[in-house]
Formats: sequence, structure tokens, C-alpha cells
Amino acid sequence: KQEVTQIPAALSVPEGENLVLNCSFTDSAIYNLQWFRQDPGKGLTSLLLIQSSQREQTSGRLNASLDKSSGRSTLYIAASQPGDSATYLCAASRSGGYNKLIFGAGTRLAVHP
Amino acid sequence: DAGVTQSPTHLIKTRGQQVTLRCSPKSGHDTVSWYQQALGQGPQFIFQYYEEEERQRGNFPDRFSGHQFPNYSSELNVNALLLGDSALYLCASSFSSGPNTGELFFGEGSRLTVL
Repeated sequence: KQEVTQIPAALSVPEGENLVLNCSFTDSAIYNLQWFRQDPGKGLTSLLLIQSSQREQTSGRLNASLDKSSGRSTLYIAASQPGDSATYLCAASRSGGYNKLIFGAGTRLAVHP
Repeated sequence: DAGVTQSPTHLIKTRGQQVTLRCSPKSGHDTVSWYQQALGQGPQFIFQYYEEEERQRGNFPDRFSGHQFPNYSSELNVNALLLGDSALYLCASSFSSGPNTGELFFGEGSRLTVL
């Protein structure tokens, strides 16, 4: 059974810092690893999707990596801004699982000026 | 291009009542999945619909049921509401051409409060 854990649960940083959010999963037979952003009371916005054949994806100031052998993914945010404040969720889908996502509980990020 | 749309955005019900939530998928998508997100937790998979049939289901009781229409839109029905059903209900759509395809796109959710 796939379990997804995110560390830390909460993070508060000053503007401009580079930061790393961690995601670990128990079942290495994943197909997709997807990172989302969620603003309070809102839906999920997809940030990055890494397929199992890939090791990383980049979009602007965001970079996500995937290491299936260690069961880990990291989301790197460069030069953080107050507008980055949100909850970040990672989710894994199992190979052959029709993209059913198993989510972590998220990391609540606060970037203060 | 409209994304995933859900209605209603907020609703309040009392214990024992029934509720229906609606979802229109992103244009070109044929698969709809529903998730329940309790406060402070990650979303949990309820079920997924493809070709108007339930393709897979999470660990939710039979009080939770759904439907997919020929235009790919979907409904989530919850009967005999409990206080614990209070949550944000998220709809996600994708295009399915096999068991390992389809990035998910989520709607803004329907916030259900059960009193």
C-alpha cells in the first residue's frame, strides 16, 4: 500500500531564501509524481509532473526531482517570494493504476517580507 | 479553454440529508476522479469514472455514489450525511488512453459543511 509523507509539515522563511520541500513514498512502483500548490480554501494547481522515466522537471523558479530507488522527491524553490506562500502537496500514482493519486498531507509554506 | 468547473462552491446541509455535487471536466478529458479533503489533510481518493462506469474506488462507504454522463460530466452523491462528511470535495479530470496516462487537473472544489 502506497504511503506518502511530506516533511516538514510547516515552514516559515524570509523572502529571498532558496528552500527544499521533501516528499517520500513507500512503493517504488510509481508511475507519476506530481507536485501541487493549494491556496487556503482553494483547489489544487499542478506545478510539476515527473514521470517514472524522468529524474527531474523544471518550471521557472521551481525544480522537482525524483529518486525511485530511495523513494524520495524534492521540490526546490529558488529565491522565494511572499506570493509563494501556500500549501504544497505531492502525490504519487502507481504503475497501472489509472493515475489514482495518493497524497501527502502537505507542507504549509509562509514566506515573509 | 475552460478548466475543470465544480458546483456549488459552498453548501450547508444537516445530518441525514443527501447532497449532489457536480463537475464538468476540462475540454478533451474523458475521465473524472473525485477526492475528499478534510481540513489540514491531503486529498483522499473516492472514485474514478471512465466511459460512464466506476473504474476504481477508494475506501469510502456505499453512501458515496457517482455518475458520469455521455458528455463526460460527473456527479457525486452522498446519502445520510454525517458530521464527518464535512470537507472540501475536489473533482479532477484527465484524458485516459491507457493505465498510465493522463495528468490530473483539479477544480476549485465544493466546500460541504454538515451541521
